[in-house]
Amino acid sequence: SQQGEEDPQALSIQEGENATMNCSYKTSINNLQWYRQNSGRGLVHLILIRSNEREKHSGRLRVTLDTSKKSSSLLITASRAADTASYFCATGGTGNQFYFGTGTSLTVIP
Amino acid sequence: KAGVTQTPRYLIKTRGQQVTLSCSPISGHRSVSWYQQTPGQGLQFLFEYFSETQRNKGNFPGRFSGRQFSNSRSEMNVSTLELGDSALYLCASSLAADYPYEQYFGPGTRLTVT
Repeated sequence: SQQGEEDPQALSIQEGENATMNCSYKTSINNLQWYRQNSGRGLVHLILIRSNEREKHSGRLRVTLDTSKKSSSLLITASRAADTASYFCATGGTGNQFYFGTGTSLTVIP
Repeated sequence: KAGVTQTPRYLIKTRGQQVTLSCSPISGHRSVSWYQQTPGQGLQFLFEYFSETQRNKGNFPGRFSGRQFSNSRSEMNVSTLELGDSALYLCASSLAADYPYEQYFGPGTRLTVT
């Protein structure tokens, strides 16, 4: 299966703390994307990192990619209650065929 | 710029019936992908269309089909519905298919099969 696998499945932290979630995948990829899904809402794209990139930042988000270990991590710094959501990694090959992981459920306690 | 729209938002069908879902991508986006999301299987890729041609297909039975029109709007059809087809069906559009552009998702169509 090309599906990514997030770890941990669930994470609960206090507001202001950092949250780290990991994604492991099995096959070679062209790129990897992270998405957020709030309860009752659609998926929102957070960040895309290509296979030749090692790190990318966007606001409070930091994504790393280690293609030799077939893994990626998403770090959310100074978390807020509004960050409470499920986070998914999606691995892409050629074209726009993406395979989503099982997701990490993040709860940020005010 | 308007986002990805999907119609209808909610649908209840009976086992054995067929259903058609519609997706209008963001203006200028040529690639449309469809995904099925269920609590047990998570998000699974159904198929992707670009310039009215199916470019990629996931591992779903032939009961699931789709098409894309010249204006990039896309429809997916599920025939002979089964209880297990109950899911949130998400459509995503992106600027092009050959480059990993960001995908923008619609709100989804919640299909319930009884």
